[in-house]
Amino acid sequence: GAVVSQHPSRVICKSGTSVKIECRSLDFQATTMFWYRQFPKKSLMLMATSNEGSKATYEQGVEKDKFLINHASLTLSTLTVTSAHPEDSSFYICSASPLSQTDTQYFGPGTRLTVL
Amino acid sequence: DAKTTQPTSMDCAEGRAANLPCNHSTISGNEYVYWYRQIHSQGPQYIIHGLKNNETNEMASLIITEDRKSSTLILPHATLRDTAVYYCIPNSGGSNYKLTFGKGTLLTVNP
Repeated sequence: GAVVSQHPSRVICKSGTSVKIECRSLDFQATTMFWYRQFPKKSLMLMATSNEGSKATYEQGVEKDKFLINHASLTLSTLTVTSAHPEDSSFYICSASPLSQTDTQYFGPGTRLTVL
Repeated sequence: DAKTTQPTSMDCAEGRAANLPCNHSTISGNEYVYWYRQIHSQGPQYIIHGLKNNETNEMASLIITEDRKSSTLILPHATLRDTAVYYCIPNSGGSNYKLTFGKGTLLTVNP
């Protein structure tokens, strides 16, 4: 149980385009989902906390207009990187906390974004 | 959140127990100790967490000192697939809690 999926697993795009990444909790409902970013050889950094049906809370230094988060249901959150640039190339990872187990986060497999 | 100190890296022979230490001397009374691991190019995986008492599950055991200033994660019979970066994260848990990942310990299990 407690499986989180992400799609796509890898994406390559041209500079200036937008990319949408989906995060789904497959076998549980999640009120809260989290989005992290990880640069090479660095640790995960939290970008934003997303609650179903409400606006996401962004961490300091993360541009909310660039990284659009939508959490429309208890099993799906999306992250859209708008007008992507090479410096946005990174490993994007989501996590979700089950309603029945809010003290534990389960992570997706990650999405590798490369912006040319 | 409390700060943590973990060894940068450790080695372990396959089949042996891997003992990963973590110092968290500034941990608050309401903070649990969470352990996650990240295999290369994958998302982190939850391992175990505890507050005061020692905990055990199918993956590992967690030993927390009585003063709660340090803990040890034990993988009883390490396999090659246990090679990963292990993170010790004190956190109060609950909804909307944020995990702060440090540098962790790179555990390499050798054949």
